[in-house]
Amino acid sequence: ETGVTQTPRHLVMGMTNKKSLKCEQHLGHNAMYWYKQSAKKPLELMFVYNFKEQTENNSVPSRFSPECPNSSHLFLHLHTLQPEDSALYLCASSQGGAQETQYFGPGTRLLVL
Amino acid sequence: ILNVEQSPQSLHVQEGDSTNFTCSFPSSNFYALHWYRWETAKSPEALFVMTLNGDEKKKGRISATLNTKEGYSYLYIKGSQPEDSATYLCAFVDGNKLVFGAGTILRVKS
Repeated sequence: ETGVTQTPRHLVMGMTNKKSLKCEQHLGHNAMYWYKQSAKKPLELMFVYNFKEQTENNSVPSRFSPECPNSSHLFLHLHTLQPEDSALYLCASSQGGAQETQYFGPGTRLLVL
Repeated sequence: ILNVEQSPQSLHVQEGDSTNFTCSFPSSNFYALHWYRWETAKSPEALFVMTLNGDEKKKGRISATLNTKEGYSYLYIKGSQPEDSATYLCAFVDGNKLVFGAGTILRVKS
């Protein structure tokens, strides 16, 4: 498999649940990103990782907890989410910093009940 | 707060028409601007990364220009086809991150 993959593609969870989103890139890139796409809003950066180190946290609430165990994998751990957190969560990767082309996964559509 | 504006918000054209839309961004501290195409139910796909004032890039029927001094970029599509229907996003490089505009939704009718 090539490119950037994300699992699951769809997720429904209650506000008391704990779940995780997974992203994997097969491109040999060293930077990975989490983005959020809410209805009627621009794509919004959440976190940036470079060489497994978090280099950007865009004021994201602590109920979202990222994890980057290696340069190929990125997780987003979710706990005690709110209905307004329902959105499309996209992962991306790039070779180098933000000036480089980013390659996106297909996203996880999350619904919080 | 850094603002990236795209206009128009949506556009409906006939097959064969040429069209263009705009991305406006801060003219100070410019580093790079990205253009992406996002088709429904697919991943955003990179079109261009533009870095130099006056730059013009082309990919098939799609081209883009950049004016960093006045803070805008144009995306042009020549002879639009139904498969060009998508949301076109621009993103401004702000330090370590991309700041996206809301996008222009293009619908091409056959």
